Amino acid sequence: DTEVTQTPKHLVMGMTNKKSLKCEQHMGHRAMYWYKQKAKKPPELMFVYSYEKLSINESVPSRFSPECPNSSLLNLHLHALQPEDSALYLCASSQAGTTSYNEQFFGPGTRLTVL
Amino acid sequence: DQQVKQNSPSLSVQEGRISILNCDYTNSMFDYFLWYKKYPAEGPTFLISISSIKDKNEDGRFTVFLNKSAKHLSLHIVPSQPGDSAVYFCAASPNRDDKIIFGKGTRLHILP
Repeated sequence: DTEVTQTPKHLVMGMTNKKSLKCEQHMGHRAMYWYKQKAKKPPELMFVYSYEKLSINESVPSRFSPECPNSSLLNLHLHALQPEDSALYLCASSQAGTTSYNEQFFGPGTRLTVL
Repeated sequence: DQQVKQNSPSLSVQEGRISILNCDYTNSMFDYFLWYKKYPAEGPTFLISISSIKDKNEDGRFTVFLNKSAKHLSLHIVPSQPGDSAVYFCAASPNRDDKIIFGKGTRLHILP
């Protein structure tokens, strides 16, 4: 299995809603990532988990809360989002550690619209 | 401050000819470079990579060239095919860090 899967594909939520994005991989990768991508822009890194521990938080607002329940799963909990948070949210995974290079494999993304 | 620059937002190439996508970087700590291809409504797909100890890496129709002294890399696609029409992102990673930094992308159009 060489895939990163993300659910849901599309999500529409109000500013008072609480929702979660899910990501799963079964490639044995121990690094997992959340990116945000706005239209015609490159992916912007939000969070990195390495061996199930949060290793990088790119100063993301607290209304985004990541969680890594185990080595195959990565969640992004959303609460009190703003319309400007509407974007494509991409999950990626890679081998971790200093002995491996960082070829990240991306999921198809969740298209989020905040009303 | 952009550390990875793709100065051409778009490029049109005739089918069957060579497509050359360029990328410049500013951070001398980058030691690993990647190219990703992205179709609309899909996540980026890894294409090819090169480490700083090499100056060329080839995989089928795709070749990446690295010029460290000029801090420049390029992706060559030959022959170009209609399915190559997509946005191509150059990315770089410092010292096997978990973080990779993307350029803004170049939209490649393959013309019939």
